[in-house]
Amino acid sequence: EAQVTQNPRYLITVTGKKLTVTCSQNMNHEYMSWYRQDPGLGLRQIYYSMNVEVTDKGDVPEGYKVSRKEKRNFPLILESPSPNQTSLYFCASSLSINREGGYTFGSGTRLTVV
Amino acid sequence: SQELEQSPQSLIVQEGKNLTINCTSSKTLYGLYWYKQKYGEGLIFLMMLQKGGEEKSHEKITAKLDEKKQQSSLHITASQPSHAGIYLCGAESDYKLSFGAGTTVTVRA
Repeated sequence: EAQVTQNPRYLITVTGKKLTVTCSQNMNHEYMSWYRQDPGLGLRQIYYSMNVEVTDKGDVPEGYKVSRKEKRNFPLILESPSPNQTSLYFCASSLSINREGGYTFGSGTRLTVV
Repeated sequence: SQELEQSPQSLIVQEGKNLTINCTSSKTLYGLYWYKQKYGEGLIFLMMLQKGGEEKSHEKITAKLDEKKQQSSLHITASQPSHAGIYLCGAESDYKLSFGAGTTVTVRA
């Protein structure tokens, strides 16, 4: 089944403890992206990647890192999480920009930083 | 980045009635996506519009793109409980995909 898989689905962590949220897609998509969703603010793009080893900042990149060493994986790294990073995170992928098929989203990771 | 404004923010509709959601862009639209989201869950792709005047339908959902007005509308005919959720419009600019804040649809039996 074609899908984007995020792990974990739920995570509670403490301030300052490094964490990684994994994202993997099995569709050979070139484009991958991370979003956070917050009440009243909607979905905001954190980072995106056009292809392997090509990443760029979205609208809210502060406090996050990403890497794209393989086409299928695009992990989101929080080196020192803070409570303002408590949010619902989504990974998405697409064959390329502006594709008829749209973007496929993962099921989300609900992160709580205490 | 591209700003997308959706209206209304939320709406309540009686089952069987029609509804319309609008999405207005701050920049020229070269492609407009519509997604649906159940609260706290992932986004489900509904359709994409690429050309001015384009209109697409999927089951009882119809979307149109007015490039001149930099606007798209989503229309649901004879709403059902399964149509409840959050509808988001999205558009690409400079390799970034931006979304509107969403419209929450509640369908009352």
